[in-house]
Amino acid sequence: DAKTTQPNSMESNEEEPVHLPCNHSTISGTDYIHWYRQLPSQGPEYVIHGLTSNVNNRMASLAIAEDRKSSTLILHRATLRDAAVYYCILIFKWSRGARQLTFGSGTQLTVLP
Amino acid sequence: DAGITQSPRYKITETGRQVTLMCHQTWSHSYMFWYRQDLGHGLRLIYYSAAADITDKGEVPDGYVVSRSKTENFPLTLESATRSQTSVYFCASSDLEPGANYGYTFGSGTRLTVV
Repeated sequence: DAKTTQPNSMESNEEEPVHLPCNHSTISGTDYIHWYRQLPSQGPEYVIHGLTSNVNNRMASLAIAEDRKSSTLILHRATLRDAAVYYCILIFKWSRGARQLTFGSGTQLTVLP
Repeated sequence: DAGITQSPRYKITETGRQVTLMCHQTWSHSYMFWYRQDLGHGLRLIYYSAAADITDKGEVPDGYVVSRSKTENFPLTLESATRSQTSVYFCASSDLEPGANYGYTFGSGTRLTVV
């Protein structure tokens, strides 16, 4: 199964952009790249996902390398509420056709005021 | 209110007891999942269900039983609780084919302690 590698922790200053990297060198052609974040004592929250092209939504942007072996989640202006653990996840197909997430350890983002 | 709810929020049980964690979603999502979260392991899939009456094992299914007689409910039962099952349990749901077009929505979790 394809795995992801993320730094354990990162720091950012408030109102500055944050680039959260993720390596997934064994990704297959049909794996989708998802990002979730988890605030303390809450369930994970969907942030963004993509396959090959860069994606933007109201929360963040996702930049996917041309070879798809890495991706970067971009928070354009970090706020204190963005402090969370960010998970980069690959979704792959199971034998019955359904897809499932495999979570890694994630990156703890600290936002400094 | 619409959403995905888990109950109870906190549970303490004794070793050997049977305990059931409840998960209810109001969107009629086809797919539902149970994950456990432990320090050092991230989230690991226990069971998932693609539709009512269709369930399948995940990464760590031993000691757990699930059922899905109704689309909106996906209870997780620990048949004989052990201390190693002390964890935070998250239920999730997704519509259509999750991953390709949709993200997953998670509940707030159940913190289970087995003493």
